[in-house]
Amino acid sequence: GAGVSQSPSNKVTEKGKDVELRCDPISGHTALYWYRQRLGQGLEFLIYFQGNSAPDKSGLPSDRFSAERTGESVSTLTIQRTQQEDSAVYLCASSLWGIAQPQHFGDGTRLSIL
Amino acid sequence: GENVEQHPSTLSVQEGDSAVIKCTYSDSASNYFPWYKQELGKGPQLIIDIRSNVGEKKDQRIAVTLNKTAKHFSLHITETQPEDSAVYFCALENSGGSNYKLTFGKGTLLTVNP
Repeated sequence: GAGVSQSPSNKVTEKGKDVELRCDPISGHTALYWYRQRLGQGLEFLIYFQGNSAPDKSGLPSDRFSAERTGESVSTLTIQRTQQEDSAVYLCASSLWGIAQPQHFGDGTRLSIL
Repeated sequence: GENVEQHPSTLSVQEGDSAVIKCTYSDSASNYFPWYKQELGKGPQLIIDIRSNVGEKKDQRIAVTLNKTAKHFSLHITETQPEDSAVYFCALENSGGSNYKLTFGKGTLLTVNP
């Protein structure tokens, strides 16, 4: 069956440009998460969606980062005025809503800021 | 916030040996403990999970044990094979609030030598 799909798989851009990353969750999953993974590190939480609302944005590192979700479907993570420290793999996960539901991850977008 | 300590950071074993990775945590409200396997260039893949009302769970060569009193949980892989080589992450969910985000350990690079 279809898993979580992310695009693009790789993105190289110049410092100061805006980038938009896309996530297609598993059909029927109402919860959607964005995480960031720096090279050789664990995953850090960015934002959580329940449906199209975001009850928890506490992990967004600055106001240059924003995300939105259309219904219980596609989500986009936007980074404005990119900086070199934004270079990382951005991972999206989805799960059925509720306590202790497994989160299923996409393969991520590898973002490189020159 | 919640903190998860994962040890060891690297582990090298001979094919057929067992591998054990341990994680400790501080928040007693944590109640869901998944383990993920991440291969190079891929997203994390859920391999096993355990909930706080269970002390042990096994799936073929993989098992997870949870000691809620001591606040640690461990991944056990028996009869290791070269294809088990990957980075393994422990994680936990604190479902005390309305957010089911995962907090991850920093990962263990497992190498299985043929």
